[in-house]
Amino acid sequence: GENVEQHPSTLSVQEGDSAVIKCTYSDSASNYFPWYKQELGKRPQLIIDIRSNVGEKKDQRIAVTLNKTAKHFSLHITETQPEDSAVYFCAASPSLIQGAQKLVFGQGTRLTINP
Amino acid sequence: ETGVTQTPRHLVMGMTNKKSLKCEQHLGHNAMYWYKQSAKKPLELMFVYSLEERVENNSVPSRFSPECPNSSHLFLHLHTLQPEDSALYLCASSQEITNTGELFFGEGSRLTVL
Repeated sequence: GENVEQHPSTLSVQEGDSAVIKCTYSDSASNYFPWYKQELGKRPQLIIDIRSNVGEKKDQRIAVTLNKTAKHFSLHITETQPEDSAVYFCAASPSLIQGAQKLVFGQGTRLTINP
Repeated sequence: ETGVTQTPRHLVMGMTNKKSLKCEQHLGHNAMYWYKQSAKKPLELMFVYSLEERVENNSVPSRFSPECPNSSHLFLHLHTLQPEDSALYLCASSQEITNTGELFFGEGSRLTVL
């Protein structure tokens, strides 16, 4: 089955700097790669996703890149702000199961933005 | 109520108790999920229901028993749990017909097994 590795487990950056979180996956059949953000005591929420037919996607200060050959994908946050502090999870999904997602998550990265 | 709601938010139970977690989604989605979130571990998929049919059981011990009576409600029945089952249990829903892929999570039920 799919296995997703995420690094680093913790990341601390100065406000205004960039943050990069990296994930690798094992199943070459995976074709959907979302990123979720979980603030302290809150539910995980989707912030950006990418499908295997594109290499990069941007949404304001966040971007995701995908390298299918190397089986890795990364989250980039530019001009970080205090409200970016949270735990970020990457995930991979090989396919739908009868109309439902089978997402496999990485271990999470706790991002802290220092003022 | 909108989105995905879970009750109770906190639950403390002994190993011999029987309790249930409830999830309700108000989004008209066709798929519902149970995830387990433990400290320093990735979100673990437990069960997947699509159109009220269980389509995935991720090697979960039988002391966890899911039930999906209709497309809006999902339960997780708990009995004779172990202390290592203490975790945050997250329910989620999605609408795969539109293939957006997004999971909408509830706020979770924090379970402590004594």
